[in-house]
Amino acid sequence: NAGVTQTPKFQVLKTGQSMTLQCAQDMNHEYMSWYRQDPGMGLRLIHYSVGAGITDQGEVPNGYNVSRSTTEDFPLRLLSAAPSQTSVYFCASSYSRQAPYGYTFGSGTRLTVV
Amino acid sequence: AQKITQTQPGMFVQEKEAVTLDCTYDTSDQSYGLFWYKQPSSGEMIFLIYQGSYDEQNATEGRYSLNFQKARKSANLVISASQLGDSAMYFCAMRVFNQAGTALIFGKGTTLSVSS
Repeated sequence: NAGVTQTPKFQVLKTGQSMTLQCAQDMNHEYMSWYRQDPGMGLRLIHYSVGAGITDQGEVPNGYNVSRSTTEDFPLRLLSAAPSQTSVYFCASSYSRQAPYGYTFGSGTRLTVV
Repeated sequence: AQKITQTQPGMFVQEKEAVTLDCTYDTSDQSYGLFWYKQPSSGEMIFLIYQGSYDEQNATEGRYSLNFQKARKSANLVISASQLGDSAMYFCAMRVFNQAGTALIFGKGTTLSVSS
């Protein structure tokens, strides 16, 4: 099915561990972005990208790395997990910077850091 | 920097009543886009309505309408004839873009509770 696929859906990490949250889309969307959602804070932008090799920081980039080697994939890396990174993470993609209906969200990854 | 403000943490309404969810925004851009999303308890993000900064008419999508007041920098969501299924979190968002791409900046959200 076409859409944005996030894996895993749930993950528990120990402080200091590293991991990669996967995000893949099969709609040939150029624009992809990562958000974290915390209670009372809404969704906050972490990183975004317009295509392979081009990324930029959002509102809360510290502690996260991204790279974009293909149009389809936009992984989010936590190099050394901290309890403050416990959150629900959403990936989204868009086919046009002008399109009002272009943002498709994945179903989210719930991450707990203990 | 762009910013979205939603000042109502929670709203309560009865079925069939109309409800307005407030959203104000701050941007120095002349061209921008404003969105409203619904997030039910299942967690998915559902697109509701969009308003472009150059659109002269308020956007409408079924029971949803956007009360866009550009001078006041407000983009309130109006839900007419509320239903029990409207109970959810609602987010206002603004599109930001530069050479690195495009993404959304969100407000903190408003929880809407609809009772029978």
